[in-house]
Amino acid sequence: QSVLTQPPSASGTPGQRVTFSCSGSSSNVGSNYVYWYQQLPGTAPKLLIYRNNLRPSGVPDRFSGSKSGTSASLAISGLRSEDEADYYCAAWDDSLSGFVFGTGTKVTVL
Amino acid sequence: EVQLLESGGGLVQPGGSLRLSCAASGFTFSSYAMSWVRQAPGKGLEWVSAISGSGGSTYYADSVKGRFTISRDNSKNTLYLQMNSLRAEDTAVYYCAKVATTVTTPAYWYFDLWGRGTLVTVSS
Repeated sequence: QSVLTQPPSASGTPGQRVTFSCSGSSSNVGSNYVYWYQQLPGTAPKLLIYRNNLRPSGVPDRFSGSKSGTSASLAISGLRSEDEADYYCAAWDDSLSGFVFGTGTKVTVL
Repeated sequence: EVQLLESGGGLVQPGGSLRLSCAASGFTFSSYAMSWVRQAPGKGLEWVSAISGSGGSTYYADSVKGRFTISRDNSKNTLYLQMNSLRAEDTAVYYCAKVATTVTTPAYWYFDLWGRGTLVTVSS
């Protein structure tokens, strides 16, 4: 079961900025790095953001991550149709001694 | 080419067993921890298990602890997941994932390479 809470959906028109959250606790988001994964329809997840706010090579700078306390956020600026996907946050949980994923946010480009 | 290729999925009855394999290529397999992540049909991602590069340390989600066993054969560049006492709720696509760093502390692990997944269906 997911211990990181995300809004189920987010949407915007092309070119807009969309932001959504990932809420955890002191044992996961509050004390460890947060990671974000993008899952395009019918494909495997792909690493989008690591260590709260770093982008792997090849990920556009339209994607940005941030963290404050026990919450993290992912922002997509200049929204494009190819950004339609499910987005998951993740973190290590010290209490569980395991990884936890967020509930996932489906982004729709209107 | 750097890639992961899962195999071994299929239909199994409740209470049955299955062993998944993940063949790795294009990187020094023994240097990296590996993990299994699953996704039930229409649902989100759920971490299942992880193993250190040497195989000496293993980690499990509470939902599979005592039923699943992760292992690796570094001479064959292959990761395994032995699944016993399978339940309907284990039905999912199982992804193999490579940890991005060679750091041995799991709190710093994250996944930079994923396979395409293999479907496990537990049903009578």
